[in-house]
Amino acid sequence: AQTVTQSQPEMSVQEAETVTLSCTYDTSESNYYLFWYKQPPSRQMILVIRQEAYKQQNATENRFSVNFQKAAKSFSLKISDSQLGDTAMYFCAFMKPYRDDKIIFGKGTRLHILP
Amino acid sequence: NAGVTQTPKFQVLKTGQSMTLQCAQDMNHEYMSWYRQDPGMGLRLIHYSVGAGITDQGEVPNGYNVSRSTTEDFPLRLLSAAPSQTSVYFCASSYGSGIKGEQYFGPGTRLTVT
Repeated sequence: AQTVTQSQPEMSVQEAETVTLSCTYDTSESNYYLFWYKQPPSRQMILVIRQEAYKQQNATENRFSVNFQKAAKSFSLKISDSQLGDTAMYFCAFMKPYRDDKIIFGKGTRLHILP
Repeated sequence: NAGVTQTPKFQVLKTGQSMTLQCAQDMNHEYMSWYRQDPGMGLRLIHYSVGAGITDQGEVPNGYNVSRSTTEDFPLRLLSAAPSQTSVYFCASSYGSGIKGEQYFGPGTRLTVT
């Protein structure tokens, strides 16, 4: 069974700094999706970034980028020039495509951006 | 498009009561699912559906029933509410079959069982 582990329950950084959130996962699959979701205090789940395992290039979305290490089964999220609005819970998630769309979530990292 | 909608946003139940959490999507998504979110536990899958008429259990299905009579709707029924079911419930949908790989989430329902 697949598992997703986020080893940092909570983090705090100063505004404008760069922060990296860690995620490791366990699977025997070769093709899969990895995601980072953001959940601000509004509770809405927002997709931040998506990585397809067969793509070697790391995904980037504006200030958000990932470091995808397939052999190490690691998928970290880097937030550059952090902003107060980045304060949220961040979830790493795994999905096997083409069987069902079940997503397995990590337990989350609560990120505080300090002014 | 309204996306994924959930009603109600908040609900308080007494132990033993039953209720249905509503979920609807207008994106013609094949795949729909229900998660519960508890502190320190992330989101855990309760039930899911890969299309109308097809449902299956997730990680934590006990105490919940689902049905999928239409593509748009996927209600979650609590048969006899228990305090352990106090949680935030999210409905999600996607194209299915791994297409695009993204799930769209509703705004959540906060349920308290006393």
